[in-house]
Amino acid sequence: DVKVTQSSRYLVKRTGEKVFLECVQDMDHENMFWYRQDPGLGLRLIYFSYDVKMKEKGDIPEGYSVSREKKERFSLILESASTNQTSMYLCASTGVQETQYFGPGTRLLVL
Amino acid sequence: RKEVEQDPGPFNVPEGATVAFNCTYSNSASQSFFWYRQDCRKEPKLLMSVYSSGNEDGRFTAQLNRASQYISLLIRDSKLSDSATYLCAVNRHAGKSTFGDGTTLTVKP
Repeated sequence: DVKVTQSSRYLVKRTGEKVFLECVQDMDHENMFWYRQDPGLGLRLIYFSYDVKMKEKGDIPEGYSVSREKKERFSLILESASTNQTSMYLCASTGVQETQYFGPGTRLLVL
Repeated sequence: RKEVEQDPGPFNVPEGATVAFNCTYSNSASQSFFWYRQDCRKEPKLLMSVYSSGNEDGRFTAQLNRASQYISLLIRDSKLSDSATYLCAVNRHAGKSTFGDGTTLTVKP
């Protein structure tokens, strides 16, 4: 079974803090993705990566950056958290069959 | 216009009912298609891929209409456990999916 894990299930941060969300997959998948999910707005792609050290912007990259130093790990960074970044963050990976395997999600609250 | 659109529902149906969801997509270059299920406060999980010829998995049937650019999901003999949000997903590039906002289904006794 593919396993995608995320570093935290729940996080509470203050406005202006730097936030790191980590994602690890154990199936040697090439592609990894970060989404945020908000009521009424669905799943929105923030960033994705097709290979180590490669990254591409998704639909809503503003206020975020990413890092992929190892194939199995894809990190999402909020350089200076803001209240409008309060959301559910979901990491996913895909292999050759293109099915998205999601981690359990991180619920981030920015105060 | 959104790239992938779904009727958000909610759909409230009695046990045993048949229910159908549709999802339209705007990009004719889309290559692969999926239905995901998401339970409350959980991550989405693949329900089934959608093939050109249509495919069935037990009570679930998925179909693709490329000419009209929509995919559908039919659930027969609904169970209480089918209550969830169903997301359609469309891929243009390898592995990169665009998701609909989801359709919420509640199956009642």
